[in-house]
Amino acid sequence: GAGVSQSPSNKVTEKGKDVELRCDPISGHTALYWYRQSLGQGLEFLIYFQGNSAPDKSGLPSDRFSAERTGGSVSTLTIQRTQQEDSAVYLCASSLQGPYNEQFFGPGTRLTVL
Amino acid sequence: QKEVEQNSGPLSVPEGAIASLNCTYSDRGSQSFFWYRQYSGKSPELIMSIYSNGDKEDGRFTAQLNKASQYVSLLIRDSQPSDSATYLCAVKGSGGFKTIFGAGTRLFVKA
Repeated sequence: GAGVSQSPSNKVTEKGKDVELRCDPISGHTALYWYRQSLGQGLEFLIYFQGNSAPDKSGLPSDRFSAERTGGSVSTLTIQRTQQEDSAVYLCASSLQGPYNEQFFGPGTRLTVL
Repeated sequence: QKEVEQNSGPLSVPEGAIASLNCTYSDRGSQSFFWYRQYSGKSPELIMSIYSNGDKEDGRFTAQLNKASQYVSLLIRDSQPSDSATYLCAVKGSGGFKTIFGAGTRLFVKA
């Protein structure tokens, strides 16, 4: 079946502009995660959605970052007033519900803020 | 103390040798543990998961878990140049959903 998809694959924007990144999880996966990976660094947790529960936003680095998940499926990560330090690869992952289920990652969106 | 710690490496092993990758974690209530492989410029891909103390083998890969020592490792037997990548240790904490990733260990397998 289809894996996790993300769009766009690359995004170049100017400092101060808003950007939206999209994630389409694996069908049937109720859990969805967003991570950020700066060049040569590990994965930084941003936000987690599980079904209809309130999302865990504890990893969002500032109030310029927000995310929503419509209908329990597609998710959009929005970064307002982008800064150069926001440049990174943004990865989305999805999994089945429960503590023993693996996450499967999308190909990522590479964001470059000029 | 970081929640999930790995040696950043690089770890260099000759082709055919055993590569040993280590990871420690701080949340004693953690329930599940994962190893991901990430090639440069690509997203992480799952190699193995382990939930119980002991060893779990899958082909050339063996994951080892010791919850008392809060330690998980990955052994790669008969290492190949194609195994050269960054290996990420991931731990799902006692809350059951949030997964914390280590910074990764870079592995080089020399032909």
